[in-house]
Amino acid sequence: EDKVVQSPLSLVVHEGDTVTLNCSYEVTNFRSLLWYKQEKKAPTFLFMLTSSGIEKKSGRLSSILDKKELFSILNITATQTGDSAIYLCAVSDGNTGKLIFGQGTTLQVKP
Amino acid sequence: DAGVIQSPRHEVTEMGQEVTLRCKPISGHNSLFWYRQTMMRGLELLIYFNNNVPIDDSGMPEDRFSAKMPNASFSTLKIQPSEPRDSAVYFCASSSDRPTSGGAYNEQFFGPGTRLTVL
Repeated sequence: EDKVVQSPLSLVVHEGDTVTLNCSYEVTNFRSLLWYKQEKKAPTFLFMLTSSGIEKKSGRLSSILDKKELFSILNITATQTGDSAIYLCAVSDGNTGKLIFGQGTTLQVKP
Repeated sequence: DAGVIQSPRHEVTEMGQEVTLRCKPISGHNSLFWYRQTMMRGLELLIYFNNNVPIDDSGMPEDRFSAKMPNASFSTLKIQPSEPRDSAVYFCASSSDRPTSGGAYNEQFFGPGTRLTVL
């Protein structure tokens, strides 16, 4: 059965800290891995990764994929209280485009 | 583009009543997904459509749930009869099979969700 596992499930840090969120997967027909950020409303897209070893960066956020070891990490440097959210990892099935979501990591950044 | 549109945004109903949730996907997207999110179970895929055809409804919890997509710009998720355990946020998302100019495809864009409370 296809599955996506995120760790940790929750994390509390202080502003300025750097955090690393993990996502491992077992998916038969992998197309891409996506990261979403969910605050109070709907998930919003952060990154899509399809190739191993190529880092994607957006401001203080960055992500990389390892297709050999079947995992991805999302890094957030110099965290701010506005980074507090649930971070969702999902893998897209190559045949259907269906997304398989992990449980999410709840990040709380304290002032 | 207005993004994915869902209505209503909030719904409070009594057990046994019929509930209909509505979704308008982004114009040009050919895949539409219905998700349910709860604290206990996280984000779960209920059903998805490709080119208006239901492809996988294995996530639909039981016969009380049904979904339709009569055309490319509209879908409904119906619960009849509703139960308190159906209380959740229901999201609709859409995506395109075709690469965008930025090279991304299969990125799903989520609507704002419908918060359903069944008393």
